[in-house]
Amino acid sequence: AAGVIQSPRHLIKEKRETATLKCYPIPRHDTVYWYQQGPGQDPQFLISFYEKMQSDKGSIPDRFSAQQFSDYHSELNMSSLELGDSALYFCASSSTTGAATQYFGPGTRLLVL
Amino acid sequence: QKEVEQNSGPLSVPEGAIASLNCTYSDRGSQSFFWYRQYSGKSPELIMSIYSNGDKEDGRFTAQLNKASQYVSLLIRDSQPSDSATYLCAVCAGTGFQKLVFGTGTRLLVSP
Repeated sequence: AAGVIQSPRHLIKEKRETATLKCYPIPRHDTVYWYQQGPGQDPQFLISFYEKMQSDKGSIPDRFSAQQFSDYHSELNMSSLELGDSALYFCASSSTTGAATQYFGPGTRLLVL
Repeated sequence: QKEVEQNSGPLSVPEGAIASLNCTYSDRGSQSFFWYRQYSGKSPELIMSIYSNGDKEDGRFTAQLNKASQYVSLLIRDSQPSDSATYLCAVCAGTGFQKLVFGTGTRLLVSP
């Protein structure tokens, strides 16, 4: 079965640079969620979208923004990167027409130097 | 106090034994409960979901929910070395389409 696709899988950036992470949800899933997982930490919710509208917002820094496009893929834009932004970024998707279970993508490992 | 609490472990069990993982949550309005397995550096993988009080079994896994006690557990029967991973308890405030709040995870080690 098709899973959530994330790109890139690994990303190395310098401080103050920008990064864009992409997420392609499972086909026919209409809700996308972004989570950040620091080293040794549990995943923390950043933001979610349903039908291209922001549906919930968590502890997402003002330097980050995200959107969901007409094909339901989502992008997380991160600017003025800081060392503390180094983490695993997971995208998850779910469908409002079925069980609301969230399925996670493989993640993007971001390293800020 | 975290909204979702788990013992960080490690929980060590011999191969073939039953592993018991526990989780408590603070939001009484929580409706949906999930157990995810996460190998180091990998993404969380759904093991079980449970929405109503009682037990739910799927193969070697049994999830138990007690909303009155705000308690969720996961039993793994016939534990295998491949079950060695971190198990994350996740709670959702509604019936879905809302954020998951995770516990810090319990590290399980199954020795051959």
